[in-house]
Amino acid sequence: QKEVEQNSGPLSVPEGAIASLNCTYSDRGSQSFFWYRQYSGKSPELIMSIYSNGDKEDGRFTAQLNKASQYVSLLIRDSQPSDSATYLCAVRLGSSNTGKLIFGQGTTLQVKP
Amino acid sequence: DAGVIQSPRHEVTEMGQEVTLRCKPISGHNSLFWYRQTMMRGLELLIYFNNNVPIDDSGMPEDRFSAKMPNASFSTLKIQPSEPRDSAVYFCASSPKNEQFFGPGTRLTVL
Repeated sequence: QKEVEQNSGPLSVPEGAIASLNCTYSDRGSQSFFWYRQYSGKSPELIMSIYSNGDKEDGRFTAQLNKASQYVSLLIRDSQPSDSATYLCAVRLGSSNTGKLIFGQGTTLQVKP
Repeated sequence: DAGVIQSPRHEVTEMGQEVTLRCKPISGHNSLFWYRQTMMRGLELLIYFNNNVPIDDSGMPEDRFSAKMPNASFSTLKIQPSEPRDSAVYFCASSPKNEQFFGPGTRLTVL
C-alpha cells in the first residue's frame, strides 16, 4: 500500500461545476496535510494546508480532513479552465512539525469551457 | 520576497559529467528540501536539512549523489558521474516550519 494515494485521473468537469479531489494516507499518526497545484512545466504551488478534522475554506477552495477514515479531500467550487492542472496531496508523516512530506502521484483536473 | 531561487533552470550534459544544482532558500526559512520529479516515480524527496544540518538523506539514490548546505542561504546538489537515468526535474523547497515552498526547478537532461 502506498503511503499517500490519489486517483491519477484525469478528472474532467464542466466550467462552473464543483471538482472533488480525493486522497487517502496510510500513517494514522499523521497530523499535517497539504494540497499543491502544479501546472504543466511548472513547480508545485501550495494552495491549502489543513491540520484539524473538518473543513477549511479559502475562496473557491475547501479542504476536508477526516483522520478516522485517513482521508483528505479538496473541493473547488465554480471551477474555471484556469484550474486545469495536476493537484498533489502531501502528508507529513507522524506528528513532527518539521520533516519530510510524502506526495501522492497527483490527480489531473481538466475543466472544460 | 524573491521566493526560492534555483540555478541553472536547464542543464544538458553528457553521461559521466559532473552536475551541480544550486538553491537559495527564502530568507528566514530554516528547512531546505531537495526533490526529484519524473513521470514514472512522481515527486520524491532526496534529502532535507534543518538549520543547515542534513536530517534525512534516505532518498538519495546512490553515492553518486551528494548535497551540502554550507550556510543558511545556499545549498548544492551534486551528481558525479551523471547517468541518463538521472534525467528529471530537480526541485528545491524551503520551509519556515510547516509549509514548504518550491523553487522553479532545474530540468536536467543527461545524454
